[in-house]
Amino acid sequence: AQSVSQHNHHVILSEAASLELGCNYSYGGTVNLFWYVQYPGQHLQLLLKYFSGDPLVKGIKGFEAEFIKSKFSFNLRKPSVQWSDTAEYFCAVRLPSGGYQKVTFGTGTKLQVIP
Amino acid sequence: GAGVSQTPSNKVTEKGKYVELRCDPISGHTALYWYRQSLGQGPEFLIYFQGTGAADDSGLPNDRFFAVRPEGSVSTLKIQRTERGDSAVYLCASSFSAGSINTQYFGPGTRLTVL
Repeated sequence: AQSVSQHNHHVILSEAASLELGCNYSYGGTVNLFWYVQYPGQHLQLLLKYFSGDPLVKGIKGFEAEFIKSKFSFNLRKPSVQWSDTAEYFCAVRLPSGGYQKVTFGTGTKLQVIP
Repeated sequence: GAGVSQTPSNKVTEKGKYVELRCDPISGHTALYWYRQSLGQGPEFLIYFQGTGAADDSGLPNDRFFAVRPEGSVSTLKIQRTERGDSAVYLCASSFSAGSINTQYFGPGTRLTVL
């Protein structure tokens, strides 16, 4: 069965620090990849997605992620975090089996940005 | 336009009771999904509808769980004989249609607590 691994459960950074959240998935074929964010008290929102093409994907709020097929990775990055980035971040994968319907999520990484 | 809405936002019930959770998808979205998010975990797929029919219910944990979408819009997730282990946030998502190019948009969830 496919799985998604997020390496860090809880990350604490100071404002202006750089961010990289790791995500690895276990599937050898074509995948759709996503990062979702959940701000405190809010629902899941799409941050960025990769379906095909340029492996460097830019999302909202200055986030980007790079798909590295050889490493089965889709790490999320931001050069300089802000206090408002405090949230929980979920990596997710969707496979062609079943027509790309099920999204499998990682366990999430809680990011705390200290002013 | 309006996003995915879910009611109630919170539901507290006693073990053994029956509950219904409602999801109103984004207008025009034909695909609808239910997920369950337990504490400290990412969302887990339960069931997916394309139109009125359940196209994939492989994520439903057992036969106490059932979902319907009689008119291809609003969906209701039904849980019979609730157990304490059913306590979780139940998330609904919708997309314009099924398939690899479509993104799922999530609602705020219903927090179910079984006492």
